[in-house]
Amino acid sequence: DGGITQSPKYLFRKEGQNVTLSCEQNLNHDAMYWYRQDPGQGLRLIYYSQIVNDFQKGDIAEGYSVSREKKESFPLTVTSAQKNPTAFYLCASSINSGQPQHFGDGTRLSIL
Amino acid sequence: SQQGEEDPQALSIQEGENATMNCSYKTSINNLQWYRQNSGRGLVHLILIRSNEREKHSGRLRVTLDTSKKSSSLLITASRAADTASYFCATDDSGNTPLVFGKGTRLSVIA
Repeated sequence: DGGITQSPKYLFRKEGQNVTLSCEQNLNHDAMYWYRQDPGQGLRLIYYSQIVNDFQKGDIAEGYSVSREKKESFPLTVTSAQKNPTAFYLCASSINSGQPQHFGDGTRLSIL
Repeated sequence: SQQGEEDPQALSIQEGENATMNCSYKTSINNLQWYRQNSGRGLVHLILIRSNEREKHSGRLRVTLDTSKKSSSLLITASRAADTASYFCATDDSGNTPLVFGKGTRLSVIA
């Protein structure tokens, strides 16, 4: 089955620690996205990538970093510079920008 | 940047009733999409309506688009308890930038 997989489902971060969230897709999509969702809120775009080896900042990129070395993979690192990282993180992919997005089931990040 | 704005923020109805959610946006669009999110899960794409379309149907879903008023509505007919979820609209401005999502409408369908 084609789809998009996020791991882990739950993640805990200690103060001063960087953590990496995984996102893999086997849909052969060019575009991939990372969103942050806070309780009762909509989605805010962190980073997006329209093609391998290229990515763009979204609305709230500060304290986050990404890489896109392979078409299938778009990992997100939450750095220690992100002072309020507790949130639900969603990864998505699409054939190209503007087309329907397919979402993973999210990673919930909490601070210890 | 927040383009779509859903209304109402929350809606509670009885099973069998119809549910209507609205989305307003600010700039011209190529298309508008509706998504559903069950609690603790990712979003699922429901329907896409292009800027030159006025109405679209998919099963119990009916979407309308009024570009002169920059608004769209999602109607779910004969609602079921399983329709309980948050519903988001998302707009595509130019085809070369990511979709912009609204804050969503939380729908509760009471059995």
